[in-house]
Amino acid sequence: QSVLNQPPSASGTPGQRVTISCSGSSSNIGSNSVKWYQQFPGTAPKLVIYSDNQRPSGVPDRFSGSKSGTSASLAISGLQSEDEGDFYCEAWDDSLSGCVFGTGTRVTVL
Amino acid sequence: QLQLQESGSGLVKPSQTLSLTCAVSGGSIAGGGYSWSWIRQPPGKGLEWIGFIYQRGTTYYNPSLKSRVTISADRSKNQLSLRLTSVAAADTAVYFCARVDLEMGRAFDLWGHGTMVTVSS
Repeated sequence: QSVLNQPPSASGTPGQRVTISCSGSSSNIGSNSVKWYQQFPGTAPKLVIYSDNQRPSGVPDRFSGSKSGTSASLAISGLQSEDEGDFYCEAWDDSLSGCVFGTGTRVTVL
Repeated sequence: QLQLQESGSGLVKPSQTLSLTCAVSGGSIAGGGYSWSWIRQPPGKGLEWIGFIYQRGTTYYNPSLKSRVTISADRSKNQLSLRLTSVAAADTAVYFCARVDLEMGRAFDLWGHGTMVTVSS
C-alpha cells in the first residue's frame, strides 16, 4: 500500500534531462528525508540519493534530488542508455512509524 | 567490503512459516551507525518495507505485517533472520536484506542480492 505516488513511466533521448516526481504528505516527505533507489531488472536496488539531495560516493553527478513541501523530485541530466531502469523514492512515515516506498517509475532511454 | 547474502526456503506452503537468514560478511552487524532491514518485492511489483532491527534489538515493523513478522539478529553468527507466519500467496516475493545507514537518514545503502520465496501448495 504505497503512500508515495510516482508517475509509472518517464522517458527521454540521450543527453536530455528527465525528472521524476514523488508526492507524499506531511507525515512522510513533509517531515523526513527522501531517498531514491535505482533498480535494474533482476537485481537489487541501489541507493542514488539520500537526505533529499545527497549523492553517495560513486553516483554520477548527473543524478540530483530536490524536495519542496510534501513532494520530492529526482532529476537525471545528460541521460545515458545505462540509466534505464526503475526508480523508487522512499521516506519514513511518522504516522505509520515505518518506511514507505513510492510506486516506482520506469525510465526509458529512447 | 561488506556483503549480504540471503538464504532460506524457496517454497513454502500456505499457512506455514517463512524463514530466511541474511549472512553478513566483511564486517560486523554490531558495527556502530547501522541498523538492518528486510524489504520484499512481489514479482513485477514495487518494493515493500518489512521491518528494521536496531543495534539494541529494538524492532519496527510494517503495520500491515506486524502481527506475523519477527526480525532478529544473531551477533555470534553475524546474521539476521526473518520469520513470517501464516503465509499466503500474496507473500510470494523476492526478499532482500539491507543495511540501514542512520547518518544517511536511515537510507538502505547496501543490499543483498535477494532470494525468491514462492508460497504454493
